[in-house]
Amino acid sequence: DTGVSQNPRHKITKRGQNVTFRCDPISEHNRLYWYRQTLGQGPEFLTYFQNEAQLEKSRLLSDRFSAERPKGSFSTLEIQRTEQGDSAMYLCASSFGGQPRTGELFFGEGSRLTVL
Amino acid sequence: QKEVEQNSGPLSVPEGAIASLNCTYSDRGSQSFFWYRQYSGKSPELIMSIYSNGDKEDGRFTAQLNKASQYVSLLIRDSQPSDSATYLCAVSIAGGGADGLTFGKGTHLIIQP
Repeated sequence: DTGVSQNPRHKITKRGQNVTFRCDPISEHNRLYWYRQTLGQGPEFLTYFQNEAQLEKSRLLSDRFSAERPKGSFSTLEIQRTEQGDSAMYLCASSFGGQPRTGELFFGEGSRLTVL
Repeated sequence: QKEVEQNSGPLSVPEGAIASLNCTYSDRGSQSFFWYRQYSGKSPELIMSIYSNGDKEDGRFTAQLNKASQYVSLLIRDSQPSDSATYLCAVSIAGGGADGLTFGKGTHLIIQP
């Protein structure tokens, strides 16, 4: 098992463009999370999936953000009409579905977004 | 609003000494507690989880939980320069609720050779 994989690792885009990030979780994990982290801050929860169902979305996730996990395997996070405030590291993590281990997250290396 | 508070540091500890990292949380419903280590430019890595009051030891690491005081700590014995990193405290509400972890801002730990 190669762990959680994210791509692209780095994305530089101009304000107003759309970007999409992909996450491939650890295969036996049924929960998948997206977090955002800026410099000097801890990761902020965005959304999570159990299998293909999106069970919770943070109020941080504006209408410009959408996430999918169509077959309960990989997930995508799309940001439309990017703004400079979207510049951050976007972290994907996966975990087992059984309590209390759902908080034992395995993170990918992240996708760093820079909006010019 | 769930909050997790940590002293941002930097916390400087001489090599071989015990590093003590502290965390408080606001939500009394929190049931699960985690410490993640994050090296500069890297993603967080789970190092300890604790679910009940008391101490839990794993090698050089000891996590301590006091739910009455809403306090969780991490002790690192025989600190090594490779322990220099940011340590993130995270809490969640268990019981199958739809909830992601809430992270603190992290404590930057520096182990001085």
